Amino acid sequence: QVHLLQSGTEVKKPGASLKVSCKASGYTFGNYGISWVRQAPGQGLEWLGWISAYNGDTNYAQKVQDRVTMTTDMSTSTAYMEMRSLRSDDTAVYYCARDLQDIVEESTVKVCGFWGQGTLVTVSS
Amino acid sequence: DIQMTQSPSTLSASVGDRVTITCRASQSISSGLAWYQQKPGKAPKLLIYQASSLESGALSRFSGSGSGTEFTLTISSLEPDDFATYYCQHYNSYSATFGQGTKLEIK
Repeated sequence: QVHLLQSGTEVKKPGASLKVSCKASGYTFGNYGISWVRQAPGQGLEWLGWISAYNGDTNYAQKVQDRVTMTTDMSTSTAYMEMRSLRSDDTAVYYCARDLQDIVEESTVKVCGFWGQGTLVTVSS
Repeated sequence: DIQMTQSPSTLSASVGDRVTITCRASQSISSGLAWYQQKPGKAPKLLIYQASSLESGALSRFSGSGSGTEFTLTISSLEPDDFATYYCQHYNSYSATFGQGTKLEIK
């Protein structure tokens, strides 16, 4: 079965960088895209971006595109989300999510069918 | 960026009620619309994609409709397990955006 295992809780100071990992299992990693979504405390969901594990193509949300880089490692079936110049308002639970259907189904790219457990990131001085 | 606006923000209803949540896009998004359910402390769960396609793990009392700029999620008869927060999401080849959420509460 599809499983996405994210890295653990992070505490960072303002201005620092963050790298969250998302290790996939139970499917052919390279056939699907991965989205990253965050949720600030008590707030709604915010889409951060998407990466194709097939060819590395990325799409980023305008709000974070200057500070975020998404990558994948096919050898370990792991996706990464790096965020730089952290601010207090980056405090959130960060989720990775796999596309519902494989990369051939372009019409459902970024539909988040399977989710990781979330990684709590706290940015505080 | 395309903005997604859900209404209402909060909805109070009783077990057995039929409820509808609306999601409006700031411009036409064809059928690129998904609905998710989220319970406190848990990751969201996909219910509907392509505006009206029921995800295989979702229950048939959930249904979606709409195209263009206006979409609805309907729960035909509320069960106790349905009290949660619901989000719509626009998606396309270049981006995605979530609505602000609708909290469904027990009346």
